[in-house]
Amino acid sequence: QLQLQESGPGLVKPSETLSLTCTVSGDSISSSSYFWAWIRQTPGKGLEWIGTIFYSGATYYNPSFKSRVTISVETSKNQFSLKINSVTAADTAVYYCARRGTGYYYMDVWGQGTTVTVSS
Amino acid sequence: EIVLTQSPDFQSVTPKEKVTITCRASQSIGSNLHWYQQKPGQSPKLLIKYASQPFSGVPSRFSGSGSGTDFTLTINSLEAEDAATYYCHQSSSSPWTFGRGTKVEIK
Repeated sequence: QLQLQESGPGLVKPSETLSLTCTVSGDSISSSSYFWAWIRQTPGKGLEWIGTIFYSGATYYNPSFKSRVTISVETSKNQFSLKINSVTAADTAVYYCARRGTGYYYMDVWGQGTTVTVSS
Repeated sequence: EIVLTQSPDFQSVTPKEKVTITCRASQSIGSNLHWYQQKPGQSPKLLIKYASQPFSGVPSRFSGSGSGTDFTLTINSLEAEDAATYYCHQSSSSPWTFGRGTKVEIK
C-alpha cells in the first residue's frame, strides 16, 4: 500500500530556506504512471498547490511560488523534495506531499503532513 | 487563477439529515472538480473525482453533481463520522486551486 511521509525541520528562521522531503513507500517514484506534488495549508489562505514533479525531473509550479520554490526528485532514495527560500511568517503552514496519476488530474494519496513554523 | 467559492462556510446538522455544499468556479472548468474531506489533524481524503465519480471505498451516501461553474456535494443521511471540513478542488487549469472549505458539525 502506497504511503507518503513528509520530513524536515519544524522551525525555520525568517529569510532562510525551508527544506522538506517526502519519502514514498509501497511504490516506485520512478513509475511513469504518477506525478508527485506539494501542497500546503495555512489558516489564512487555506489549501495551496505549490508544485508537481515527474520522475524525469520535469516540474510544474504555482506562479505564486515559482521564484522561491524548487522541487526535485531523488529516484535512488524514492524521495522528492521541496525548497522554499527567503521564507517569512506567511510560509508557516502544514505541508503535504501527495500523488497524482498521469492519467488523472487529482491527488489521490496524501501524506499525513508536517507543520513548519517560520520564526526567529 | 480560478477562484472556487464554497457555501456555506459552516453547517450544523443532525444525524440522518441531508447536507448540501456548493462550489462555484470563477470560470468554466468542465467536470474538473474534485471533493475532499478533512478531519482535524488529518490530511485531506478524496471523496468525489470529476464532479460526480465516487472515489474507491467512499460510502454511497456521498455524491457529487454539476459541471461548468456550479457544483454540489451531497451527503445523504449524515452520520456522526462525517463531521469534517469539505473542500472542492479544480484541476482544469494551472494553478490548481481549492475552495476555502465548508465545516460540517454534528448537532
